[in-house]
Amino acid sequence: GQNIDQPTEMTATEGAIVQINCTYQTSGFNGLFWYQQHAGEAPTFLSYNVLDGLEEKGRFSSFLSRSKGYSYLLLKELQMKDSASYLCAVRDRNYQLIWGAGTKLIIKP
Amino acid sequence: IAGITQAPTSQILAAGRRMTLRCTQDMRHNAMYWYRQDLGLGLRLIHYSNTAGTTGKGEVPDGYSVSRANTDDFPLTLASAVPSQTSVYFCASSDRTGSGANVLTFGAGSRLTVL
Repeated sequence: GQNIDQPTEMTATEGAIVQINCTYQTSGFNGLFWYQQHAGEAPTFLSYNVLDGLEEKGRFSSFLSRSKGYSYLLLKELQMKDSASYLCAVRDRNYQLIWGAGTKLIIKP
Repeated sequence: IAGITQAPTSQILAAGRRMTLRCTQDMRHNAMYWYRQDLGLGLRLIHYSNTAGTTGKGEVPDGYSVSRANTDDFPLTLASAVPSQTSVYFCASSDRTGSGANVLTFGAGSRLTVL
């Protein structure tokens, strides 16, 4: 079966750096996505990786290793507003998105 | 403001009742999707539509039906609601299918409780 694994919850301190990992086993691979979802709100797009390596976008970066079935989202200079769930999703060979359960990130002052 | 509008925001209904969740987008996206989100689980695809006039089944289609009469509207119907359909439902759209980023834009969600 297809599976996306990410930690259920993480805690970090304001101003620090946090890395959220995602491992996947899917039928084929056509890209990996990270979405942010604040409590009670809709998911919003953060990043997309289809080739190996690091994609940087401001305070957020996303890394992909297709051979290892692994990605991480790196958040720098954490702010209280970064408290949210972070969803990892992989698009399989049929171009369907397989979603992880999400990682709830708690930022403490 | 361009985006996706879902209605109702929240609804409580009795088991066995029929319910339609509405979804309208004004971005002229060709693909639309319905997901449900339950605690501890990833988003699960219920039904999708790659273009007006076509629909397809997702991972958890049983008990749900959809229609896509035009580009903008994609309603989700529960013919006879059951308590296991208690969930938060998200409608989403994207501007293309197939290769490329194909980023999803989500509506604000509809929280449904079936008693």
